[in-house]
Amino acid sequence: AQRVTQPEKLLSVFKGAPVELKCNYSYSGSPELFWYVQYSRQRLQLLLRHISRESIKGFTADLNKGETSFHLKKPFAQEEDSAMYYCALRSARQLTFGSGTQLTVLP
Amino acid sequence: EADIYQTPRYLVIGTGKKITLECSQTMGHDKMYWYQQDPGMELHLIHYSYGVNSTEKGDLSSESTVSRIRTEHFPLTLESARPSHTSQYLCASSGDRGHGTEAFFGQGTRLTVV
Repeated sequence: AQRVTQPEKLLSVFKGAPVELKCNYSYSGSPELFWYVQYSRQRLQLLLRHISRESIKGFTADLNKGETSFHLKKPFAQEEDSAMYYCALRSARQLTFGSGTQLTVLP
Repeated sequence: EADIYQTPRYLVIGTGKKITLECSQTMGHDKMYWYQQDPGMELHLIHYSYGVNSTEKGDLSSESTVSRIRTEHFPLTLESARPSHTSQYLCASSGDRGHGTEAFFGQGTRLTVV
């Protein structure tokens, strides 16, 4: 069975501070991992995917197969980054989400 | 414009009523999903489909049922609504073009059973 764990339900940082949202997974196969974001009153949308190795809105995430982690990082948080963030794992059969982390960036 | 639509956005209904939540996508995706999400909580997969006439139950047991008669349509039905069914229901779809294919989500249906 596949599982995604986000240990922090709530995370608050000050504007300009670095932020890291943790994600760990368990899956026996080769994982496809994603970060989704849900801003207030908007639908859930893709932020980034591990396969692309891209930086979106200043966020990056590196897949660490040894630690089975896919942490989301941004060096300088902005107030507009405040949102709910979900880590997700896609297998051939399912798309499984973690419990989410509510990020609040304080002024 | 290619998108995924859910109707209704909000529904308040009495106990014992039969309800159908609609989900349609115009992106030509084969895979579709239904998630249940309580406010600020995780998304629980309750149903998914690989394509027409293919449906599977997800990780979270649900009394709802789904059907996939057409590629673009994936309705969810509750035969007899109960207060415990009160939640937000999210529909999503994804393509199958190799690795990294993202899922697109609808706006959700917030269901309240009184």
